[in-house]
Amino acid sequence: DSGVTQTPKHLITATGQRVTLRCSPRSGDLSVYWYQQSLDQGLQFLIQYYNGEERAKGNILERFSAQQFPDLHSELNLSSLELGDSALYFCASSPLIGGGSYNEQFFGPGTRLTVL
Amino acid sequence: QKEVEQDPGPLSVPEGAIVSLNCTYSNSAFQYFMWYRQYSRKGPELLMYTYSSGNKEDGRFTAQVDKSSKYISLFIRDSQPSDSATYLCAMRGYGGSQGNLIFGKGTKLSVKP
Repeated sequence: DSGVTQTPKHLITATGQRVTLRCSPRSGDLSVYWYQQSLDQGLQFLIQYYNGEERAKGNILERFSAQQFPDLHSELNLSSLELGDSALYFCASSPLIGGGSYNEQFFGPGTRLTVL
Repeated sequence: QKEVEQDPGPLSVPEGAIVSLNCTYSNSAFQYFMWYRQYSRKGPELLMYTYSSGNKEDGRFTAQVDKSSKYISLFIRDSQPSDSATYLCAMRGYGGSQGNLIFGKGTKLSVKP
């Protein structure tokens, strides 16, 4: 158990809908990262927050947004869902921002999203 | 060309075999190299971490980085059925946008008893 929790485990929804995925980082970790994992693309970095502020963006669609709250939990919002958004969504946390120091990312168990 | 290339396998070996997993990359800014193990329906977990070039050993696992060839390897000695999983290489640079982890697509390993 990495100490990172994600809810829900599974989510089934329809095209055009909006969903919210939730992540609680390990105790003491200030950075939260969101990843999307699909068979086609593998594990892709979406976005990083550090202590409530956005720090880095990856391949995140404009239909997707995220935030990190004062208690450090984070939410990933996916809207106008398409069939291609079906994937595993992982949250990871680490103590630091990143950069030049060792900064291991601990992954949560993921949320499996199915868009029908 | 993708930044990180990894043979997806699947790779099937008998118990006790030595397993070699590899990744190549194109971005010379990468400084930190990692191997993650992902069991089915679970999140990735960090196995090995290496900074810059060289070897690192941890029990049955050895990670090698050759920056001149832009090539990293993970060796598993005396492989066990419990090693059956997908192995993901990951790497990043130093700070800023280079600090984001870039993953290979993963190699699926099956160790047969």
